[in-house]
Amino acid sequence: QVQLQESGPGLVKPSETLSLTCTVSGGSVSSGSFYWSWIRQPPGRGLEWIGCIYYSGSTNYNPSLKSRVTISIDTSKNQFSLKVSSVTAADTAVYYCAGPYRSRFEYWGQGTLVTVSS
Amino acid sequence: QSALTQPPSASGSPGQSVTVSCTGTSSDVGGYNYVSWYQQHPGKVPKLMIYEVTKRPSGVPDRFSGSKSGNTASLTVSGLQAEDEADYYCVSFAGSNTMVFGGGTKLTVL
Repeated sequence: QVQLQESGPGLVKPSETLSLTCTVSGGSVSSGSFYWSWIRQPPGRGLEWIGCIYYSGSTNYNPSLKSRVTISIDTSKNQFSLKVSSVTAADTAVYYCAGPYRSRFEYWGQGTLVTVSS
Repeated sequence: QSALTQPPSASGSPGQSVTVSCTGTSSDVGGYNYVSWYQQHPGKVPKLMIYEVTKRPSGVPDRFSGSKSGNTASLTVSGLQAEDEADYYCVSFAGSNTMVFGGGTKLTVL
């Protein structure tokens, strides 16, 4: 059974960069045909797809966030990561990592709340 | 890339059937058979209920079914039970390896 766990700071200052890591256990991030995604949910609101990374390292992003988002993968640590730059209060959300397929999210992390505030 | 359109709310009595719609465009829902549905109880992690329009993962009751016609996908819950009360989200492949979510529907069991 694949398990995912998000980690990273719960508080980020406005204009700074939000950084989160997702550690995968019970499976390998470098397995062929697997896509690893980040999804967020502002408090009391719906889900938003942020982007995904293929096991090879190629990435795809939500067009509305593309200019501020970077997703990377570290196969040696079986992790993938998210960076969102120039954050504002609108980036306050529960951030989920999910995988391992392109067209569906079968496994989810527990989610981590990131608050943007000075 | 605009969010898919879902009704904000839906409701039904125990034992009844309820259908939740998810409307997109020919660039997402209508263009691919990659629509999935997620159930989210308050404070919990979303759970995959339906994928590739009609397929059910192992362990999901067959009371949950999916379909699609044109640019609109639907999730039907038959034989409503109290534990089905939750938020439901659709998501579709939107080309170029991108995905787009619906705004979510709050299902109430009366």
